[in-house]
Amino acid sequence: GESVGLHLPTLSVQEGDNSIINCAYSNSASDYFIWYKQESGKGPQFIIDIRSNMDKRQGQRVTVLLNKTVKHLSLQIAATQPGDSAVYFCAENSNDYKLSFGAGTTVTVRA
Amino acid sequence: DSGVTQTPKHLITATGQRVTLRCSPRSGDLSVYWYQQSLDQGLQFLIQYYNGEERAKGNILERFSAQQFPDLHSELNLSSLELGDSALYFCASSVYPEPLYEQYFGPGTRLTVT
Repeated sequence: GESVGLHLPTLSVQEGDNSIINCAYSNSASDYFIWYKQESGKGPQFIIDIRSNMDKRQGQRVTVLLNKTVKHLSLQIAATQPGDSAVYFCAENSNDYKLSFGAGTTVTVRA
Repeated sequence: DSGVTQTPKHLITATGQRVTLRCSPRSGDLSVYWYQQSLDQGLQFLIQYYNGEERAKGNILERFSAQQFPDLHSELNLSSLELGDSALYFCASSVYPEPLYEQYFGPGTRLTVT
């Protein structure tokens, strides 16, 4: 699979490979994190979330890892499919009532 | 389909004008959030309402205002429009007042100011 060591705005992945999308968050007090997927012309769609008392959570073909020591969040997509092509955003609740979104990573799946 | 509806889908207007964007949350959701998405600023939180009351404010300009009505639908009013206000405006809804749970996003309204 392909991985992104630091946050990069784009990621090109071969169909069937695993993808890793990284996100650095800013507030050590944030206690809730979400990954959203946004396809062209659509609103963001919830993928998976994780609370700060966890370091890993798995969903269907997706895994989110949280490293609070370095304030880093990652989304792993297993067996990437063409339908996974989209922009992926991480978000943190930087205070009680606001979600702050990252810049987004555009994932392109190569056939 | 998230269950959140937004109208209109597209809006083209001139500088100096005023527009109103409408959002209907998912059935049962009491919180409504408004976001602006532009190419250079990404997805920015504007304002949140919970059960008719303003709950939180983000990077919302004074020219912009919003409200949530008793039937829980919400409107975002943008006035004295400038070219830089051209963006996608999303509404999201959730059950609880705190953004600690999944927010469901609508399809957005694309505003073009000419």
